[in-house]
Amino acid sequence: EVQLVESGGVLVPPGGSLRLSCAASGFTFSSYAMTWVRQAPGKGLEWVSVISGSGGTTWYADSVKGRFTISRDNSKNTLFLQMSSLRAEDTALYYCAKDDSSTYYLGVFDSWGQGTLVTVSS
Amino acid sequence: DIVMTQSPDSLAVSLGERATINCKSSQSVLYSSNNKNYLAWYQQKPGQPPKLLIYWASTRESGVPDRFSGSGSATDFTLTVSSLQAEDVAVYYCQQYYDTPHTFGQGTKLEIK
Repeated sequence: EVQLVESGGVLVPPGGSLRLSCAASGFTFSSYAMTWVRQAPGKGLEWVSVISGSGGTTWYADSVKGRFTISRDNSKNTLFLQMSSLRAEDTALYYCAKDDSSTYYLGVFDSWGQGTLVTVSS
Repeated sequence: DIVMTQSPDSLAVSLGERATINCKSSQSVLYSSNNKNYLAWYQQKPGQPPKLLIYWASTRESGVPDRFSGSGSATDFTLTVSSLQAEDVAVYYCQQYYDTPHTFGQGTKLEIK
């Protein structure tokens, strides 16, 4: 059974930094692209960033480009999101999601974690 | 970026009746080389993460009840729940994966009338 468990979400002041983690199990982690999707309180879903299975390719939403860095440690089956220069509008529940395809990044998310809450406020 | 617009924003349907949710993309998500529509639908129940229902616009994910169906092509898509059950109360999102960023619609809240 696929399991994705996010952690690291806390209250952080504007301009601060934070690293989120997503521990994966139940599948061959290195074979799948992984994505971060966020959801502001009471709002819809926003695609944030994706990393290929090897870690060699990454993409970012314009809203986080230059401030967030996605990475992964395939030896520890863990996905990361390093967040810096945080703004109030980054406040959201951050989900990690597994891609449906094991051969290339498709962009269909067949498994999701429960999310970790990041609150940016003074 | 491709903008995804869903309608309506909310919908109330009686148990056992049909529910229809529409999704329109600002540009075609039909890839001509394979004739596939890069469109997915997700269901999100309160307090839960999203769940994949349909991809390639009309392919049901394993385990999804057959009362859920997807249709449409290019820029106009529909999610249909043929006979609404109480457990179908949720927010439904369409998402395009034709191009990054892989944008979502704003969501449609489905309730029981």
